[in-house]
Amino acid sequence: GAGVSQSPRYKVAKRGQDVALRCDPISGHVSLFWYQQALGQGPEFLTYFQNEAQLDKSGLPSDRFFAERPEGSVSTLKIQRTQQEDSAVYLCASSRRLAGGGNTGELFFGEGSRLTVL
Amino acid sequence: GESVGLHLPTLSVQEGDNSIINCAYSNSASDYFIWYKQESGKGPQFIIDIRSNMDKRQGQRVTVLLNKTVKHLSLQIAATQPGDSAVYFCAENMWPGNQFYFGTGTSLTVIP
Repeated sequence: GAGVSQSPRYKVAKRGQDVALRCDPISGHVSLFWYQQALGQGPEFLTYFQNEAQLDKSGLPSDRFFAERPEGSVSTLKIQRTQQEDSAVYLCASSRRLAGGGNTGELFFGEGSRLTVL
Repeated sequence: GESVGLHLPTLSVQEGDNSIINCAYSNSASDYFIWYKQESGKGPQFIIDIRSNMDKRQGQRVTVLLNKTVKHLSLQIAATQPGDSAVYFCAENMWPGNQFYFGTGTSLTVIP
């Protein structure tokens, strides 16, 4: 497709379960971002990739969160031992822009993966 | 209608009226700003951007104003339509950083 694709759209997990969320960015987009959006809040930065390199993971809330983009295209956000506070929408965005290359250009967001931890 | 994002997170306007959505950003060093529109169940969608060397930028039916002195950003929507109903976020960025920091958002409801 032409846009950013995320799967699954909805995920219900039991507390303590591991989950994996997938993001297919727009073809050719170098930059990929993960954001977490709690209900009624703005998106909060989690991590950033330029191609396969994870250049910034300062927003990951704990070591239970792990993201990868091994071939510089598809990315996976993994959450281990999920907790109730992990319930949120996880948004993936891609962009042509490069780190340090000027902050031109918009982020193209997917529709998100809504995670509910029971 | 007009809102201050942090104090009045909801804004209702009549169809055809102009809307003004406000945002107070946090970092005086931020030099690039984007307004996003988010409809229910969807990801944020780019509306318009502005750099810190400008104080006004116009798009189709939208205008963004930037006041760096008071760290304030506003989005003006002309002739608001029912399809404009959504939550609007301002996002700030500081070159060469890659993070965009989003505000809390303002919910706009257009009354037909």
